[in-house]
Amino acid sequence: AQSVTQLDSQVPVFEEAPVELRCNYSSSVSVYLFWYVQYPNQGLQLLLKYLSGSTLVKGINGFEAEFNKSQTSFHLRKPSVHISDTAEYFCAVLSEKLVFGKGTKLTVNP
Amino acid sequence: SQTIHQWPATLVQPVGSPLSLECTVEGTSNPNLYWYRQAAGRGLQLLFYSVGIGQISSEVPQNLSASRPQDRQFILSSKKLLLSDSGFYLCAWAGTGYYGYTFGSGTRLTVV
Repeated sequence: AQSVTQLDSQVPVFEEAPVELRCNYSSSVSVYLFWYVQYPNQGLQLLLKYLSGSTLVKGINGFEAEFNKSQTSFHLRKPSVHISDTAEYFCAVLSEKLVFGKGTKLTVNP
Repeated sequence: SQTIHQWPATLVQPVGSPLSLECTVEGTSNPNLYWYRQAAGRGLQLLFYSVGIGQISSEVPQNLSASRPQDRQFILSSKKLLLSDSGFYLCAWAGTGYYGYTFGSGTRLTVV
């Protein structure tokens, strides 16, 4: 069965600093990987997805992620964060069903 | 375009009372439908999914049930709520292919 580990439960950063949110997965079959963002008391919004092809995936709001099969990782990055990026971020793997990590709370401070 | 509606947005219910949360999808047919629960510090837990009318799969044993009376309607129910049923409930839909799920705006349930 597939599973997802998000290594950091909370990540505080200053505005305009770069950020990396880490995600590792385990799956015995081909994987499809996703990052979602959740703002307080809202549903989840898809940031980006990896289905196949280029291992560097670009998403909305300036985020990107790199699929690394040998390290079974799919880390999310942004070169310069804004206050408005403060939210919870979820990594997920899809095989038969979508399985989520426990989330990483990103707090961007002025 | 496809949209997903979920209501109510917030709900406060006493222990032992019944529950009915509704989710509907527009702009697509025969979607796969999902109910997730999000509890503090525990991520998102898949509760139920449905691949068609009347077809419900349960992921975890619990005090809740789900039904799909129409193609684009998914209902989450309970006969008697427990304190542990409190949480943020999210409905989602997916079409064919591995393109991820689209989520509704969620229902915040507080059982008191």
